[in-house]
Amino acid sequence: AQTVTQSQPEMSVQEAETVTLSCTYDTSESDYYLFWYKQPPSRQMILVIRQEAYKQQNATENRFSVNFQKAAKSFSLKISDSQLGDAAMYFCAARNSGNTPLVFGKGTRLSVIA
Amino acid sequence: GAVVSQHPSRVICKSGTSVKIECRSLDFQATTMFWYRQFPKQSLMLMATSNEGSKATYEQGVEKDKFLINHASLTLSTLTVTSAHPEDSSFYICSAPTRDRAGANVLTFGAGSRLTVL
Repeated sequence: AQTVTQSQPEMSVQEAETVTLSCTYDTSESDYYLFWYKQPPSRQMILVIRQEAYKQQNATENRFSVNFQKAAKSFSLKISDSQLGDAAMYFCAARNSGNTPLVFGKGTRLSVIA
Repeated sequence: GAVVSQHPSRVICKSGTSVKIECRSLDFQATTMFWYRQFPKQSLMLMATSNEGSKATYEQGVEKDKFLINHASLTLSTLTVTSAHPEDSSFYICSAPTRDRAGANVLTFGAGSRLTVL
């Protein structure tokens, strides 16, 4: 079974600064995928970024990038040039290949200070 | 992109009544639907997996007689909370496997349903 651990219940960042959210995972599968989801107050789940485990190159999406350390089973999210709209709950998640569900971490609540 | 439409977004009901939540895939066929439950300030916990044309698979500890899941067609999956009690009050979210613009296999989520049982 997969497990996902987020050890930071809350984080804060100054507007325009950079913040890194931590995530570790455990899986016995060789083919899996990692994700970061954002959940704003509306509670709609929004995909921020994804990483295929077989890819060595770290995924990037505009201001969002990941540091994927496969051997350490670490998958951190870096948000650059933080904006007020980035304030939300962030969930790290893992998924095996095929029609399988996501397993979520407990989440990190990010506050952005103006 | 793919859209999963979930209704109702909010529902309030009395104890002992049943409530149905619907999730529809609007522009794709969803052979599988995952149902999650989220308590306030907590993470999403998988309740069950529904597959079109077969019985749902429930996670350990989830009462299948209380949370009836039906996958009636390739575009509709429903969750019925039967004989609801206040402890069933929660946020319920469905999600279906889809492809993103790059062709990667991802999950698309409905907007969620907030259930309050009085």
